[in-house]
Amino acid sequence: AQSVTQLGSHVSVSEGALVLLRCNYSSSVPPYLFWYVQYPNQGLQLLLKYTTGATLVKGINGFEAEFKKSETSFHLTKPSAHMSDAAEYFCAVRENRDDKIIFGKGTRLHILP
Amino acid sequence: ETGVTQTPRHLVMGMTNKKSLKCEQHLGHNAMYWYKQSAKKPLELMFVYNFKEQTENNSVPSRFSPECPNSSHLFLHLHTLQPEDSALYLCASSQKMQGAREQYFGPGTRLTVT
Repeated sequence: AQSVTQLGSHVSVSEGALVLLRCNYSSSVPPYLFWYVQYPNQGLQLLLKYTTGATLVKGINGFEAEFKKSETSFHLTKPSAHMSDAAEYFCAVRENRDDKIIFGKGTRLHILP
Repeated sequence: ETGVTQTPRHLVMGMTNKKSLKCEQHLGHNAMYWYKQSAKKPLELMFVYNFKEQTENNSVPSRFSPECPNSSHLFLHLHTLQPEDSALYLCASSQKMQGAREQYFGPGTRLTVT
């Protein structure tokens, strides 16, 4: 069965510092992987997705994520944090044979001035 | 209108009221979803519709009644709700049988049951 684990329900970084949000997944077959962002009182917005091919995926707002099959990880990074990045981030997985997307519990990112 | 829209954005209702939430997607998708998002709880999938047919009901209480008249519209009819039903209700859509089938979300309806 698929599952997603996001390490750290809250992460704080200083403005201008590296952002690293961790995500590990379990899946019995090669998965599709996603990162979503949710700003206060809004829905979830797709940041990026991994399907097949290149393991380093670039998304919107300067974010990227790397699929590492050997580590079953799909960590989200951004070289330099901006105050506007403060939000909740969700990692998600879908197996090819399933329509459902399984979401992690989310990580709230705080940006310190 | 573009993307996925939801109305109303905010709703306050008493436990004896009947109300409906509406979702409309302008993306040409053929699958639609209702999720419940409560504070300090993971996102909960409630219902899935593929080509207007309900394909999933995750043990949702009968006081929540979904309706999907066509592949662009999805409703959630509410009656006799409980205070613990207060949450953000999110609608999403995707294109079934195509690629990653990523879901696109609406802005949500913030529901408060008094």
